Amino acid sequence: GQSLEQPSEVTAVEGAIVQINCTYQTSGFYGLSWYQQHDGGAPTFLSYNALDGLEETGRFSSFLSRSDSYGYLLLQELQMKDSASYFCAGNQGGKLIFGQGTELSVKP
Amino acid sequence: DTGVSQDPRHKITKRGQNVTFRCDPISEHNRLYWYRQTLGQGPEFLTYFQNEAQLEKSRLLSDRFSAERPKGSFSTLEIQRTEQGDSAMYLCASSTTGTGGYNEQFFGPGTRLTVL
Repeated sequence: GQSLEQPSEVTAVEGAIVQINCTYQTSGFYGLSWYQQHDGGAPTFLSYNALDGLEETGRFSSFLSRSDSYGYLLLQELQMKDSASYFCAGNQGGKLIFGQGTELSVKP
Repeated sequence: DTGVSQDPRHKITKRGQNVTFRCDPISEHNRLYWYRQTLGQGPEFLTYFQNEAQLEKSRLLSDRFSAERPKGSFSTLEIQRTEQGDSAMYLCASSTTGTGGYNEQFFGPGTRLTVL
């Protein structure tokens, strides 16, 4: 089957750096995406890795290793507004296959 | 507002009733997706369209669910004979075709369905 595994929750303090890991067991993923979802809100796109390596977008970076079926999202200079759920998702043709999500709590 | 819109935002129905949801994608997007999300879970793929053609439908989707995109613009998702297990947030997203597998999907606010 197809599955993506993430930690269910992570807690960090304001200003810190946090890494959210994602491992997957499937074939046929074109790449790995990351989405953010605040309580009651819609998922919003953060980052996409088609190739191995690191992609940087402001305070957020994402990494992919296809040989290890592994990726991570790195959030730097955490802010209170970063408290949300973060999902990794495999791009499989047109559709996204989402992990169960990691709830990030940022404490003052 | 030029984002993805969904209607209604909330729907409460009794078990056994039929419900229909509407999604209006971003106008220049040719792909439209439906997902279902329950509390504490990630969105689960249901189906997607490219223009008016339904290209894929999840095997998890029972025959009570049907989706259409008749003119390649808005889409409707109908659930017949609703069951309590259908209670969830139904999310619509749209995108361009993309290249190299990259297709950033833009999600609407969702329709929250409660089946009593």
